[in-house]
Amino acid sequence: QKEVEQDPGPLSVPEGAIVSLNCTYSNSAFQYFMWYRQYSRKGPELLMYTYSSGNKEDGRFTAQVDKSSKYISLFIRDSQPSDSATYLCAMSYTGTASKLTFGTGTRLQVTL
Amino acid sequence: DAGITQSPRHKVTETGTPVTLRCHQTENHRYMYWYRQDPGHGLRLIHYSYGVKDTDKGEVSDGYSVSRSKTEDFLLTLESATSSQTSVYFCAIRAVRASTDTQYFGPGTRLTVL
Repeated sequence: QKEVEQDPGPLSVPEGAIVSLNCTYSNSAFQYFMWYRQYSRKGPELLMYTYSSGNKEDGRFTAQVDKSSKYISLFIRDSQPSDSATYLCAMSYTGTASKLTFGTGTRLQVTL
Repeated sequence: DAGITQSPRHKVTETGTPVTLRCHQTENHRYMYWYRQDPGHGLRLIHYSYGVKDTDKGEVSDGYSVSRSKTEDFLLTLESATSSQTSVYFCAIRAVRASTDTQYFGPGTRLTVL
């Protein structure tokens, strides 16, 4: 079983919809949680960064971490065609040289 | 832009040949990483470096070696390429930006081993 599980999709939604992307993990030592967005044939770019539990909001994006359930989410409000990409969750814990463990990514398609 | 360049961006080679991929950074970061990305596996760490001449293995290091003789350059070498090493390779640096301490990625190198 992988340390981080993520539904690969693809997930197709109409423009303007609210999107929910999720990851579950098994290692309770993870403390830092990230979401990366990756456009086709590009490198991943950092979208959201959260330490420990709680919510973080940045524009149309909200990241949630529930450490008790070992579950993290990324919500995208008012989705746009430009949000079409693969979204990767990643996590790490203290003392690991910032080594990241990634989910496999969820491919999102926002249609007009 | 994470200040990272990778070269070459695309390469096709034959089984058994040596291949070296280069990662170059312009911001003097101490930590650098090499990943490979494959369908169904996501990003997997091959090797990382925590300073000049200081490197360590990741989860998929077999068949790969690395070198770091200068802060700005981190080289990944496939001594004898195999078809299973066909992948997209990403370099990353560790940086603290806007109070986040995490990794930032280069544009990737697409390697095909025939």
